[in-house]
Amino acid sequence: DTGVSQDPRHKITKRGQNVTFRCDPISEHNRLYWYRQTLGQGPEFLTYFQNEAQLEKSRLLSDRFSAERPKGSFSTLEIQRTEQGDSAMYLCASSYNSGGREGYTFGSGTRLTVV
Amino acid sequence: AQTVTQSQPEMSVQEAETVTLSCTYDTSESDYYLFWYKQPPSRQMILVIRQEAYKQQNATENRFSVNFQKAAKSFSLKISDSQLGDAAMYFCARYNNNDMRFGAGTRLTVKP
Repeated sequence: DTGVSQDPRHKITKRGQNVTFRCDPISEHNRLYWYRQTLGQGPEFLTYFQNEAQLEKSRLLSDRFSAERPKGSFSTLEIQRTEQGDSAMYLCASSYNSGGREGYTFGSGTRLTVV
Repeated sequence: AQTVTQSQPEMSVQEAETVTLSCTYDTSESDYYLFWYKQPPSRQMILVIRQEAYKQQNATENRFSVNFQKAAKSFSLKISDSQLGDAAMYFCARYNNNDMRFGAGTRLTVKP
């Protein structure tokens, strides 16, 4: 297991287009988290899954955002009708079922640029 | 809002010297966990050190140690014998009730 993988590393898209990111967590980890990080800021929580169930969504996750984890393994984050304000680093993390007590393992992120 | 505050946007240290990064947090819970994460440029965030709030003893990991002041809700990170590879963004984080919340980060520069 090579850790948390995210694909793609970089994505440039035109405003109004849809984009989809993928995250493959550590295989033993039940929980998967999505965060957004803008320049000069710390990561902000978007949503998390326990197995295939999406248990919490932040108010930051507008109707244009949707996340899935269909088989409790990998997850996708889709942004529809992208806006320039969506430009950010999107981070995925995973943890054991005990939640974050042991800390999260992060992926390298997907950097989205909306032009 | 339960927040995490890092009051130092940038810090610098001379190689081999010691530097302390500050963090304060807010929580109404008695059971929580505190972390320092390191994010090198264009690389993934990695866990540096972890502290359980119910433990009075300060955590230590090699050259990294914390000063945990529970009553003051303060959680500073001390890096001893700083190395060039320590240069990165450092984020303080607080975890409780399935909520991991991060500070805005401190950019650490290490001068040779």
